[in-house]
Formats: sequence, structure tokens, C-alpha cells
Amino acid sequence: AQRVTQPEKLLSVFKGAPVELKCNYSYSGSPELFWYVQYSRQRLQLLLRHISRESIKGFTADLNKGETSFHLKKPFAQEEDSAMYYCALSPPTGTASKLTFGTGTRLQVTL
Amino acid sequence: DAGVTQSPTHLIKTRGQHVTLRCSPISGHKSVSWYQQVLGQGPQFIFQYYEKEERGRGNFPDRFSARQFPNYSSELNVNALLLGDSALYLCASSPRGVRASGTYNEQFFGPGTRLTVL
Repeated sequence: AQRVTQPEKLLSVFKGAPVELKCNYSYSGSPELFWYVQYSRQRLQLLLRHISRESIKGFTADLNKGETSFHLKKPFAQEEDSAMYYCALSPPTGTASKLTFGTGTRLQVTL
Repeated sequence: DAGVTQSPTHLIKTRGQHVTLRCSPISGHKSVSWYQQVLGQGPQFIFQYYEKEERGRGNFPDRFSARQFPNYSSELNVNALLLGDSALYLCASSPRGVRASGTYNEQFFGPGTRLTVL
């Protein structure tokens, strides 16, 4: 069975501190991994995906297949990073666009 | 384009009733997916429709059904409502039904419909 685990419901950091949001997954095969973000009063939106290896808003995420992890990192947190973050996986190419989400981590950046 | 739109915004029903939720995808998108998000949880996949056909179904009872119309809009129907059906129902649209090699079929989410069952 496929599963995404985000162990922290809330992560509180000071502005300028490093951020790491943890995500572990289980899947038989090679899924695609994503991070979605939901800012206050806004829609759920894609932040980044592992296959593109990009940095968005200073965030990066590395897929570790050995540890089945896809942690989201940012070296210096900003106030505007405060939001709900969801890790998600999707079946590989050629299949339906089904997303399996974790329970989410609320990131709170304080001054 | 206003993005994915959903109606109604909020809905209150009583146990045993039936509900219909509506979704209009982004113009040009042919696939619609439905998700249920219970408070404190991540969204959970219910259905995907592409070109008016069901392409995927999550682990939900037969009380849940959906359909897609020729204009690619979609309805989610839930019969015999239970208290546990109270949730935010999200609709997401994407350009295609499946992912071709080397591409990502990004899903764009609507604002959701908040259903409360009393």
C-alpha cells in the first residue's frame, strides 16, 4: 500500500533559521514525489517536484530512495514561508494522476 | 481564467440526505479529480475523470459517485450522508488523464466545498 508520512504536525522556527520538513513514503516501485503548500486563505498549490530538481522560493527537496524520504529544506526561513505543507506521491508515468498526501506540517516562522 | 471553480462554497446537510457538489476545470483541461480532506488530515483521492470516463477510484464506498460532462465540468454525488462525510471536498483539474513519459500532469486545485453533516 502506498503511504506518505509527515511526522510533525507543527514546526515552529525563528526567522532566519534553517527549516527542514520531514517526509517519508512507502510505495512499490518508483513514484514521483511532490511538495504542495497552502498559504492562509489560498488554494493548495504545487511547490516543487523531485524530478525537476529545482529550487522554488529557496526551498529544495532531495529524494533519498534508500531511506524513502523526501525532506523539504530551506537554509533561512522567512515570515512569508508560514503555511501548511503537504508531501505527496503520484504513481509513475502512464498512470492516472492520483495523488496520495501526507497529513501535513504547519510551518510557523516567528520573529 | 479564474482557475478551478467549485460550488457551493459551504453546505450544511443532515444525516441520510443526498448532496451534489460541482466543479468547473480550467479552460482546456480535460481531467478532473476529486479529493476529500477531513479536518487535520491531508486530501484523500476519491475519483479521477478524463474525457467523461472514470480513470481512477479511491477507497470510498459506493455512496460516492461522480460524472463528467461534455464541457469537462464535473459533479460529485454523495448519498445517505453520514456524520463522517463532513469534510472539505477539493476538485483538481489537469490537462490530461495520464502522464506521458517525461512530462508532469500538474493538478490545479479549486478552493473546495465545505460540507457539514449534522
